[in-house]
Amino acid sequence: DTEVTQTPKHLVMGMTNKKSLKCEQHMGHRAMYWYKQKAKKPPELMFVYSYEKLSINESVPSRFSPECPNSSLLNLHLHALQPEDSALYLCASSPTPSGRVYEQYFGPGTRLTVT
Amino acid sequence: QQQVKQSPQSLIVQKGGISIINCAYENTAFDYFPWYQQFPGKGPALLIAIRPDVSEKKEGRFTISFNKSAKQFSLHIMDSQPGDSATYFCAATPNTGNQFYFGTGTSLTVIP
Repeated sequence: DTEVTQTPKHLVMGMTNKKSLKCEQHMGHRAMYWYKQKAKKPPELMFVYSYEKLSINESVPSRFSPECPNSSLLNLHLHALQPEDSALYLCASSPTPSGRVYEQYFGPGTRLTVT
Repeated sequence: QQQVKQSPQSLIVQKGGISIINCAYENTAFDYFPWYQQFPGKGPALLIAIRPDVSEKKEGRFTISFNKSAKQFSLHIMDSQPGDSATYFCAATPNTGNQFYFGTGTSLTVIP
């Protein structure tokens, strides 16, 4: 099974709402990522978890809050978002042989619209 | 600062032709270079990857050419098909850490 799943597929939320994005993988990968992608742009790294610990936070605003409850799950909690946060949010995971990464597997993404 | 530079931004190729996308990098710590294919509304999918100890890797119609001294690598799609129409991203990852650095992407259109 080389699949990363993400829910929901689509999300529309108001600027005062609180919502969460969920990502799951059962490949035994110990590096998990959140990316934000705008149309016709490359994925933009937000957070990296390595062995369930936050290892990279790319200066993301605090209205985005990541959580890694276990080695298979990754959540992104959203609160008080702005319209410019509308984007495709991608989750990815990587196997970590000898502590470094090679392949990266992406989920299908959550299309987020902030109204 | 863009760590991996990619060109062209867009590419139109006739069916059966060869599509060529180029990437360049400066960081000598990079030692793994994957290519991703992304269709609209989908996540990127790993297409093919190369390590710098080889100069070429071929998988079906897709070939990566790698020039370590020039710090450049390219993707060649032979016999391009309309189903290859997608956005392609090159990427690089260093020999330590767990971060991927993406190129800016190339939108490929293959005309029937």
